[in-house]
Amino acid sequence: AQSVTQLDSQVPVFEEAPVELRCNYSSSVSVYLFWYVQYPNQGLQLLLKYLSGSTLVKGINGFEAEFNKSQTSFHLRKPSVHISDTAEYFCAVSGLVGGGADGLTFGKGTHLIIQP
Amino acid sequence: NAGVTQTPKFQVLKTGQSMTLQCAQDMNHEYMSWYRQDPGMGLRLIHYSVGAGITDQGEVPNGYNVSRSTTEDFPLRLLSAAPSQTSVYFCASSYSGQVGGYTFGSGTRLTVV
Repeated sequence: AQSVTQLDSQVPVFEEAPVELRCNYSSSVSVYLFWYVQYPNQGLQLLLKYLSGSTLVKGINGFEAEFNKSQTSFHLRKPSVHISDTAEYFCAVSGLVGGGADGLTFGKGTHLIIQP
Repeated sequence: NAGVTQTPKFQVLKTGQSMTLQCAQDMNHEYMSWYRQDPGMGLRLIHYSVGAGITDQGEVPNGYNVSRSTTEDFPLRLLSAAPSQTSVYFCASSYSGQVGGYTFGSGTRLTVV
């Protein structure tokens, strides 16, 4: 069984400031890791994913995340946020077996609020 | 290329009524799944399918039924709606060779009164 903990339910940040959204996971097996973004009244969109290899993963819209196996973390970062980054961000995992065929386990989400 | 299409976008049901939420994808994806999203709960997996004719239960399957007769369609049936099933429902699909990374539909907002 897997679980995902997003440590902050809400993160307010000023425009052009850096941001880090925290994600920790628990699993008895190796996992794939994902970050998704949900803009108001829309479905989810994949930001980035970690499958293997380099622990620093770059995604769309200037976001990046770093996989830390010893700390079971996959924190999302952006060096300078924009008003348009206001959204709900979800961290998710899937087991290696089956390549994610059995769906994703999501965290409860972090609402990123960009203040002008 | 329409991606993942969910219908209807909004629905109000009375307690005890049944209905089917439709999900169709045109990307020839093998994997499909249904989630419900509730405030402060994130998304929780209801049912999933790894191919036509193959379905299995997720984390919260009670009160829901699925079948997958074609690669393209994965409908979700509410057998007897309850107020606890008021939620936003998302369908998602993925290509097996892509190793994760699902494409999501825009959701169905269901209210059971």
